[in-house]
Formats: sequence, C-alpha cells, structure tokens
Amino acid sequence: DIQMTQSPPVLSASVGDRVTLSCKASQNINKNLDWYQQKHGEGPKLLIFYTSNLQTGIPSRFSGSGSGTDYTLTISSLQPEDVATYYCYQYNSGPTFGSGTKLELK
Amino acid sequence: EVQLVESGGGLVKPGSSLKLSCVASGFTFSSYGMHWIRQAPKKGLEWIALIYYDSSNKYYADSVKGRFTISRDNSKNTLYLEMNSLRSEDTAMYYCAKRGGYSLYVMDAWGQGASVTVSS
Repeated sequence: DIQMTQSPPVLSASVGDRVTLSCKASQNINKNLDWYQQKHGEGPKLLIFYTSNLQTGIPSRFSGSGSGTDYTLTISSLQPEDVATYYCYQYNSGPTFGSGTKLELK
Repeated sequence: EVQLVESGGGLVKPGSSLKLSCVASGFTFSSYGMHWIRQAPKKGLEWIALIYYDSSNKYYADSVKGRFTISRDNSKNTLYLEMNSLRSEDTAMYYCAKRGGYSLYVMDAWGQGASVTVSS
C-alpha cells in the first residue's frame, strides 16, 4: 500500500495568513491526489482533485500543487470558516488517505 | 442539489451482521460509481469499497474483503453495504460517496455518515 504522510499534524494560524499543508507519498503517485476538508461532525468535502484542480464552488483562496511524491495545499488568506481537518488522498494505487492536518485559529 | 443519506447503523455484538443503506438524490444515481469510506473514532479516513454504476465491478479494501459486500439498487437510488463477521475494529462512522467526474476514485459528494459500534 502507498503510505501518505501529512505534515504538520496540527497547524495554528491567524486569519489572513497564508497557510501551506504538506502531503508526502511513499512512492510516485503521478498527481493522482485530491484534498478533502472535514469540519467537525460533518462528512468530508472535496476541495481539489488531480493535484491542482479546484472543485466547483470552492473558494479560489484554495490551491493545490505538486508532483511525484510531494504535494501541497495552500490557503492564500485563512478565513475563520476554514477551521477543519484536511486530508490528502491518493488513488494511483489502492486508494489511501493521509492521517490529516488539523487547522486551528491562533 | 446532490444529497446522500446513510442509515442502518447501530450497536451490534462481535460476529454479528449489519446492513447500511445510502439513499441518493439530486443526480442520476444509475450513471455513477459509488463508494463506502469509514472513519474510526478520532482516526482518519479509510476507503473500503467501490461499485461501478452498473454493478459490473466491485472492489474492496483488504481489511473488509470477504466480510463486507457492496451492492446497489438503481431503481431505488440506493447503495448498500452488507457487513458480516463484524469485529471491534469495524467500529466507525461509515460514509457513502459519489464518484466525481475526473476519475472513478475521486469522490465529489459525501453523506453525513452512519455510526456503527461493535461491542459486547
């Protein structure tokens, strides 16, 4: 199985900050990676698919990049409603999720 | 608006069975592959099963293969997950999800989840 390692596990930031979340795969996943946002008590929501494509209805402050084994999710200006846990997810082989990054307000 | 509503969860004893349902609305259910994903308490997400739009193919995670069965009834817009030989480690919130447009494995809509607790 491909292992997905997310860092940091917890991130504290202030409103307006530029925030970067990282996800590293144990092998090349050919950009077959999505990012999901999960707010407390809710089902996950698709933010980004195939590394860098913004899902319909998602604010443009979210963006994704990466290739090979290393991927990032960037929030250009953090908003209070962005407090959530963020998961990366690879589907290049035997789909697996990362362990998540919990984003908190400072 | 796409809606997915899971039901059928509950408290069961180890070794028993349970069947979850997911009723879909707001899209042409019969045209889309569907997934089940679970999340153990305070843990991350685990993909567990996929079924093609026409039930022609089904795929499972190794952790549930041989014990769980995914199925669907397109006439009822309903997805199912039959769970047998349940273990304590199957305790989780179970989500159904609709495949996205880009890839069979992209999941662009999720339900709110059904809670399953396996305990004696």
